[in-house]
Amino acid sequence: AQTVTQSQPEMSVQEAETVTLSCTYDTSESDYYLFWYKQPPSRQMILVIRQEAYKQQNATENRFSVNFQKAAKSFSLKISDSQLGDAAMYFCAYRSAPGGSQGNLIFGKGTKLSVKP
Amino acid sequence: NAGVTQTPKFQVLKTGQSMTLQCAQDMNHEYMSWYRQDPGMGLRLIHYSVGAGITDQGEVPNGYNVSRSTTEDFPLRLLSAAPSQTSVYFCASSYSKGARAQHFGDGTRLSIL
Repeated sequence: AQTVTQSQPEMSVQEAETVTLSCTYDTSESDYYLFWYKQPPSRQMILVIRQEAYKQQNATENRFSVNFQKAAKSFSLKISDSQLGDAAMYFCAYRSAPGGSQGNLIFGKGTKLSVKP
Repeated sequence: NAGVTQTPKFQVLKTGQSMTLQCAQDMNHEYMSWYRQDPGMGLRLIHYSVGAGITDQGEVPNGYNVSRSTTEDFPLRLLSAAPSQTSVYFCASSYSKGARAQHFGDGTRLSIL
């Protein structure tokens, strides 16, 4: 069964600095999706960034980028120029591509990010 | 375009009471699912459905029932609430199982006294 591990329960970053959140996963599949979700105090689940496993190029969305290492099964999130609004819980998640064994989202336990002014 | 709508947003129950959490989507998505979120545990899958009339269990199904009579609605029922079911519940939908994008509702905070 696939698993997702976030080894950092809490992280802190100074405003305008860069922070990297770690995520590792375990799977025997070759085609899948990886996600980072942000959950602010409002409780909404907001998709930050998505990576398709078949794409070698790392996904980027403005100040958010990932370091996808398929062989190492690692999927870290880098937040550049951190802003106060980035403070939130961040979840890493895995999902099999269509036809795979695990079409449901599998979540890590989350990393709580604090941003210091 | 409402997306995924969950009701209620907050609820307090007494142990032993029953309750249905409502979830509706207007995107004609075949796949719908329920998660519970507990501190330090992330989101865990309770039940899911790949279409009307088809449901299946997730990781933590005990104490919960679901049905899917229409494409739009996927209610979650607690038959006899227990304090261990105090949690935040999320409903989500996507075009299909294994789709690239999944849409979440805003969650229901449920407290069982």
